[in-house]
Amino acid sequence: DQQVKQNSPSLSVQEGRISILNCDYTNSMFDYFLWYKKYPAEGPTFLISISSIKDKNEDGRFTVFLNKSAKHLSLHIVPSQPGDSAVYFCAASVNNDMRFGAGTRLTVKP
Amino acid sequence: EAGVTQSPTHLIKTRGQQATLRCSPISGHTSVYWYQQALGLGLQFLLWYDEGEERNRGNFPPRFSGRQFPNYSSELNVNALELEDSALYLCASSLSYPNGAFGSGTQLSVL
Repeated sequence: DQQVKQNSPSLSVQEGRISILNCDYTNSMFDYFLWYKKYPAEGPTFLISISSIKDKNEDGRFTVFLNKSAKHLSLHIVPSQPGDSAVYFCAASVNNDMRFGAGTRLTVKP
Repeated sequence: EAGVTQSPTHLIKTRGQQATLRCSPISGHTSVYWYQQALGLGLQFLLWYDEGEERNRGNFPPRFSGRQFPNYSSELNVNALELEDSALYLCASSLSYPNGAFGSGTQLSVL
């Protein structure tokens, strides 16, 4: 039962351009959403989050958008940098029960 | 502040054996989550422990089990290992808010 879906397994962008990673969820009870970044041989690290009472949260180059009616969230990275190349997981949570998407591998080309 | 620690880093077993993986959460964190990341797949939710009790488990067979100790550390046990159990097993801990901190994982290889 995949409650959180990332339909794009990979994304390639040019350095300096915008990266947009998408995530869809099915459980309308989710009330907290997160993005994690994962490098090979390391555990995921927390990147940015958003509560269901908001529709946008910004932290430096990273912005997360939430569209509750569409059950969709996205992560925007502007400008993209080569060091952003990693696998990005979106996660959704309700009552501390956290579920992850399959991840999107972002490659930022110099 | 020490992060989430997992041991061992790597574990090699043969089919039918049992594997025990360990996780120590960040000090003060009461919740521990276990996830499996098989090659090419995302993070699959395995188990969630909080205050010593199993709160939820993912869609895995009963041979995947675990427990949480009074000091909030946790063990994941996988019995009757199968080849497809080969994966990276990640542990995360969090306080009441789920900005979980992850360990670096245990790479389990079943031969």
